[in-house]
Amino acid sequence: AQSVTQLGSHVSVSEGALVLLRCNYSSSVPPYLFWYVQYPNQGLQLLLKYTSAATLVKGINGFEAEFKKSETSFHLTKPSAHMSDAAEYFCAVIQNRDDKIIFGKGTRLHILP
Amino acid sequence: NAGVTQTPKFQVLKTGQSMTLQCAQDMNHEYMSWYRQDPGMGLRLIHYSVGAGITDQGEVPNGYNVSRSTTEDFPLRLLSAAPSQTSVYFCASRSTPSGQGAYEQYFGPGTRLTVT
Repeated sequence: AQSVTQLGSHVSVSEGALVLLRCNYSSSVPPYLFWYVQYPNQGLQLLLKYTSAATLVKGINGFEAEFKKSETSFHLTKPSAHMSDAAEYFCAVIQNRDDKIIFGKGTRLHILP
Repeated sequence: NAGVTQTPKFQVLKTGQSMTLQCAQDMNHEYMSWYRQDPGMGLRLIHYSVGAGITDQGEVPNGYNVSRSTTEDFPLRLLSAAPSQTSVYFCASRSTPSGQGAYEQYFGPGTRLTVT
């Protein structure tokens, strides 16, 4: 069965520093992968998605993620953190068109001034 | 285009009461889902639907019922509320698996439910 594991329930970075949020997936076939962001008291918003085209995917707000099949990873990065990036981030996977989208447990990103 | 709408935003129930959480989307999406979000647990799928008249169970279906009589609406019913159902509930709809927007899931603003 497909699943995703997000390493670290909380990550703190200084403003201006690199953001790295880790996601590993398990899937028997090449999956589709997503990163979502949730700001306080709001629903989830799609940041970016991988659908077997380019392995480096660029999303909104300066975020990007790289699909690495050999490592079964889809880590989210941003070169320079901003205070407005403080939120909870979810990695998600879907295996084929009729499957459910399965979410990781989330990583809360804290930005230190 | 309102996207995915949910009502109510907040609800307090007593144990044993029933209620229906409403969800509607105006994007003509085939796929709709209900999730619950609890601290440290991420989003867990309750029920989902791949089209009008078709529903299926997710990871945590017990205590919840759904129906899908139209493409637009996907209500979630709690038959006899329990304190363990205190949570934030999100409805989502998903685009068809083709084109630029393939598999993109859109979420409603959520319903915060407390069962006492």
